[in-house]
Amino acid sequence: KNEVEQSPQNLTAQEGEFITINCSYSVGISALHWLQQHPGGGIVSLFMLSSGKKKHGRLIATINIQEKHSSLHITASHPRDSAVYICAVSFFSNYQLIWGAGTKLIIKP
Amino acid sequence: EPEVTQTPSHQVTQMGQEVILRCVPISNHLYFYWYRQILGQKVEFLVSFYNNEISEKSEIFDDQFSVERPDGSNFTLKIRSTKLEDSAMYFCASRRQSSRSPLHFGNGTRLTVT
Repeated sequence: KNEVEQSPQNLTAQEGEFITINCSYSVGISALHWLQQHPGGGIVSLFMLSSGKKKHGRLIATINIQEKHSSLHITASHPRDSAVYICAVSFFSNYQLIWGAGTKLIIKP
Repeated sequence: EPEVTQTPSHQVTQMGQEVILRCVPISNHLYFYWYRQILGQKVEFLVSFYNNEISEKSEIFDDQFSVERPDGSNFTLKIRSTKLEDSAMYFCASRRQSSRSPLHFGNGTRLTVT
């Protein structure tokens, strides 16, 4: 059974700080997803990656397949980045995503 | 940019009633999903749908649940006889291909069973 673990569970930081959220999983995957859930509940897909690194604006996602670990980084954090960030994994053999519990990020001005 | 739309945004129903949650996936997408999130808990997979049939379903997706793509644009989730524990946020998602394209989510329907 694959488990997806995220850390930290909660993170509060000051505007401008560099943020790192970590995700680890226990079995082989086809892809890892980083998603953002807004306070109103809506979910937005940020990244889908199966190797290496992806960058979009101030967001960077990396994955190490051998270590079964991924990180999401936010540079120059801003209060509008405040949200829950969720890591989820998918497999070759089926269609579903297995979700982590999320990291609640609060950026204070 | 095209988006997945869900209606209604909030549905209140009495225990034992049937509800239908509606979703319009992005038009050229082929794979459709329903997920749910009970307040304060992880998002959970319910069902995936491809080529007009269920491709996978979770243990949660029992006989009380059904999905349908009645007209080539809508994708619905029906709960036949709602229970209090069905209260949750229900998310529809779609993607163009199975494992090589990102998921696009709707804004969710908050279902409250009283």
